[in-house]
Amino acid sequence: KQEVTQIPAALSVPEGENLVLNCSFTDSAIYNLQWFRQDPGKGLTSLLLIQSSQREQTSGRLNASLDKSSGRSTLYIAASQPGDSATYLCAVRNYGQNFVFGPGTRLSVLP
Amino acid sequence: KAGVTQTPRYLIKTRGQQVTLSCSPISGHRSVSWYQQTPGQGLQFLFEYFSETQRNKGNFPGRFSGRQFSNSRSEMNVSTLELGDSALYLCASSPYGRGTEAFFGQGTRLTVV
Repeated sequence: KQEVTQIPAALSVPEGENLVLNCSFTDSAIYNLQWFRQDPGKGLTSLLLIQSSQREQTSGRLNASLDKSSGRSTLYIAASQPGDSATYLCAVRNYGQNFVFGPGTRLSVLP
Repeated sequence: KAGVTQTPRYLIKTRGQQVTLSCSPISGHRSVSWYQQTPGQGLQFLFEYFSETQRNKGNFPGRFSGRQFSNSRSEMNVSTLELGDSALYLCASSPYGRGTEAFFGQGTRLTVV
């Protein structure tokens, strides 16, 4: 059974810092992995999708990497801004299965 | 292009009642999945529909059911509501399902009193 963990659970940084969020999964036979952000009381906003054959994906200030063999993905946020404050969720899909979500990392970027 | 639309946004129901939630996927998307989000359990998969057929089901009791219509719109129904069913219910749509990017709606906040 796939299990997903995220470290740290919460993070508070000053504006402008580069930061890394970590996601670990127990079953490396994944189909793909998707990163989302969630603002309080709202739905999920898709950030990046990485297929199992890919090593990384980039969108603007965001870069996500995937290392299937070690069961890890990282989300790198460059030059953080207060508007980046949200909960970041990692979701993993195995073949024939639907998303298993991590518990999330709650990020606060202080002005 | 319109996003995923969930209605209603908020619901308050009494224990024992039933409720129906609706999800309209992005135009052209054929896969709709439902998830339950609670503070204690996080996000948990309920079921997935693709071209009107249930393709996968999570570990929830039979009180939770769903369906998908020919226009890809989906509904989920919860019968005999319990206090523990209070949650944010999220719907996700994708073009063909699991290999493609999923887009979520804003959710329906269900409160059972």
